[in-house]
Amino acid sequence: DTEVTQTPKHLVMGMTNKKSLKCEQHMGHRAMYWYKQKAKKPPELMFVYSYEKLSINESVPSRFSPECPNSSLLNLHLHALQPEDSALYLCASSQVVVVANRNNYGYTFGSGTRLTVV
Amino acid sequence: AQTVTQSQPEMSVQEAETVTLSCTYDTSESNYYLFWYKQPPSRQMILVIRQEAYKQQNATENRFSVNFQKAAKSFSLKISDSQLGDTAMYFCAFTRGSNYKLTFGKGTLLTVNP
Repeated sequence: DTEVTQTPKHLVMGMTNKKSLKCEQHMGHRAMYWYKQKAKKPPELMFVYSYEKLSINESVPSRFSPECPNSSLLNLHLHALQPEDSALYLCASSQVVVVANRNNYGYTFGSGTRLTVV
Repeated sequence: AQTVTQSQPEMSVQEAETVTLSCTYDTSESNYYLFWYKQPPSRQMILVIRQEAYKQQNATENRFSVNFQKAAKSFSLKISDSQLGDTAMYFCAFTRGSNYKLTFGKGTLLTVNP
């Protein structure tokens, strides 16, 4: 299995709703990531998990709450979002690289969840 | 902080021809990774090619090759024998490793014309 699977593919939610995005991989990768991508822009990093522990939070508002229950699963819990949070949310995974001269390193991305906040 | 610059917002090429996308980056690190990712309208980010900074040899993957100039901090992508399916947004990206940010350039929209 060489895929990162994200569900749902599309999500419409109201500003008072609570919803969750799910990401799953079975490649044995121990680093997982959430990115946010606005139209015609590059992805922007939100969170990094390494060995199921949060290692990077790019000053993301608390209405976004990540969770990594196990090494294969990454969730993003959403609450009280704003219309400007509408975007494509991408999950990615990779090996954990300790020394920066290791071969065959790369990120595998899921196909994303298109989120619309109304 | 690392920055990645793609100076060509849009490019077009005829089918079967060769096109080169440019990318420059700025870093004080000596060990790092560079990537080219492709994002078609289906929105899946697909890894095209990777380059480890410590390797002198330029990476190649079938019709895709890079020209990595470490001293000049340049990392261009050459696509040979362009195909209609190559139409996509192409992002150049930099990272020091998995506990560091993957920094993207702004992207180059490539259109392959029949």
